[in-house]
Amino acid sequence: GESVGLHLPTLSVQEGDNSIINCAYSNSASDYFIWYKQESGKGPQFIIDIRSNMDKRQGQRVTVLLNKTVKHLSLQIAATQPGDSAVYFCAENIAGYSTLTFGKGTMLLVSP
Amino acid sequence: GAVVSQHPSRVICKSGTSVKIECRSLDFQATTMFWYRQFPKQSLMLMATSNEGSKATYEQGVEKDKFLINHASLTLSTLTVTSAHPEDSSFYICSARPDRHRGKYQETQYFGPGTRLLVL
Repeated sequence: GESVGLHLPTLSVQEGDNSIINCAYSNSASDYFIWYKQESGKGPQFIIDIRSNMDKRQGQRVTVLLNKTVKHLSLQIAATQPGDSAVYFCAENIAGYSTLTFGKGTMLLVSP
Repeated sequence: GAVVSQHPSRVICKSGTSVKIECRSLDFQATTMFWYRQFPKQSLMLMATSNEGSKATYEQGVEKDKFLINHASLTLSTLTVTSAHPEDSSFYICSARPDRHRGKYQETQYFGPGTRLLVL
């Protein structure tokens, strides 16, 4: 199930389940989005990205969906594995700017 | 490809000393690099944008005299925490944006492994 801790929402799933991590963004001028995975004590690792002219993009076991109407981004992980346990951040880039703005993150816990 | 390294990975120092953290892009050139700070269970907070050959751009509230940034080459940026105090203890992460996109979008950033700073 999903719970909200003091700082970080947590999603707990069983190994083999599909996981869906959600992200809401606020700036309608954002035109590029990235999902990062961060394991404990490490730097964020690029997973998948999507431009605003697309609404879906697939990678290996991962799919990113973009709904610009409601400013919502999601990351779907198929057949979740214990190694997928980490904190997942969405990041958005506003057209014309070089910086990324990060979401608050979601901790994914996968139990065997 | 797109590997970024940071050194040191962990540092403990006494209050009042200065600490230098290096960020290197190993297999690509990066005119632009970024420095972030992260507190436990929180998101990444952008501190500054580092540009090769020009001054860094600092985010609001970040003291530029406290956090000195030097972007000496297209593969190296350094962050120096001057006169460190216990409140500077944190996880510092750099990222680099490849000059050549290699099929990725221009805004894509690749991150280093981070540096854990503890000031006693």
